[in-house]
Amino acid sequence: NAGVTQTPKFQVLKTGQSMTLQCAQDMNHEYMSWYRQDPGMGLRLIHYSVGAGITDQGEVPNGYNVSRSTTEDFPLRLLSAAPSQTSVYFCASTPGGTQPQHFGDGTRLSIL
Amino acid sequence: AQSVTQLGSHVSVSEGALVLLRCNYSSSVPPYLFWYVQYPNQGLQLLLKYTSAATLVKGINGFEAEFKKSETSFHLTKPSAHMSDAAEYFCAVSYALNFGNEKLTFGTGTRLTIIP
Repeated sequence: NAGVTQTPKFQVLKTGQSMTLQCAQDMNHEYMSWYRQDPGMGLRLIHYSVGAGITDQGEVPNGYNVSRSTTEDFPLRLLSAAPSQTSVYFCASTPGGTQPQHFGDGTRLSIL
Repeated sequence: AQSVTQLGSHVSVSEGALVLLRCNYSSSVPPYLFWYVQYPNQGLQLLLKYTSAATLVKGINGFEAEFKKSETSFHLTKPSAHMSDAAEYFCAVSYALNFGNEKLTFGTGTRLTIIP
């Protein structure tokens, strides 16, 4: 049982480049989320989805896009990378209700 | 709006001593509360959760937390620290809208160091 799988694990980009962080879960969870983790700031919600075709913004959505075409996948797109987007990105999923979120191992992204 | 405050960004305890990590929350409706642990270069793993059942919640690895509504607190404790407990710990709060706990608000984390 793979759980939540994030790829790549590490990435270095130049300012202005675009890229997509992949997230896939095999637990048939309806709800998926993207967070960024920065030192001293905990995890902050970027975007989330309550089901295929439905997404919404979290606390820090600027500079990121998401889509949810299937239950399993929830990719995060950086349109034009900026140094301020250097962070560790975590994807999570949950069946909802009182069930906790399950996290992937993260993508460590550096923007030069 | 909901928020979480974790007092102490770094806590050090001796091996075998009591571990106490503090968490206070703010929520306009009854909250769901969670403690997660993060080991180096890994994702977050659930330690325990409070979802309005028993106020004393037992989790994995000997940790427990008590929900105190009057103090808006959900502190994490372990009677005897082990070297393997060294990690970063996050308190998180959510409340049930129409869809459950998909919107989770995290505290800023507490890094726990165990002194041999």
